[in-house]
Amino acid sequence: EPEVTQTPSHQVTQMGQEVILRCVPISNHLYFYWYRQILGQKVEFLVSFYNNEISEKSEIFDDQFSVERPDGSNFTLKIRSTKLEDSAMYFCASSPDENYGYTFGSGTRLTVV
Amino acid sequence: KNEVEQSPQNLTAQEGEFITINCSYSVGISALHWLQQHPGGGIVSLFMLSSGKKKHGRLIATINIQEKHSSLHITASHPRDSAVYICALTSGTYKYIFGTGTRLKVLA
Repeated sequence: EPEVTQTPSHQVTQMGQEVILRCVPISNHLYFYWYRQILGQKVEFLVSFYNNEISEKSEIFDDQFSVERPDGSNFTLKIRSTKLEDSAMYFCASSPDENYGYTFGSGTRLTVV
Repeated sequence: KNEVEQSPQNLTAQEGEFITINCSYSVGISALHWLQQHPGGGIVSLFMLSSGKKKHGRLIATINIQEKHSSLHITASHPRDSAVYICALTSGTYKYIFGTGTRLKVLA
């Protein structure tokens, strides 16, 4: 069964450093998403991406965050200058269109120290 | 007030029991999704509903659009069903609005 692949599974970074979280969505999917889950809290929407541009973003997704689809397969989330409160599990998801449910990746646990 | 409310927050059951998890919402929806989050963190999509009822194995999901309510039922529960079950909505946009989840523990 096709999968959404996220790398790395766990990343530890120093506060103020840039991190790039990587995702390979399912190949024929067109809609891509990033969500995050702070430990013990519910999953929160960050951004959706379609047709090479952001289609929607949340208040969390400020100027420190950016997304990119640099080639035909990868979908990345960049955090420019990490803060302690960015520590969370980050999930990538994709869907073939807006009327279908998502397939989630297994997540990247980001720890900012 | 949260747009999506789940109950109960925590549930412990004995193996074999019939389990019901409830989800109420306060907004118009395009679809309602039931998700399962494993102890390791991974999220799996179980159902996507816009009306009626769906069944997959021992899992049944129902939705009542008029009452803005959905239930997830697990028949003949098993310890491997232990996970967090999350109700999420899509409401006019692509993004999911997540509930806080119901933590289920099934004891052998």
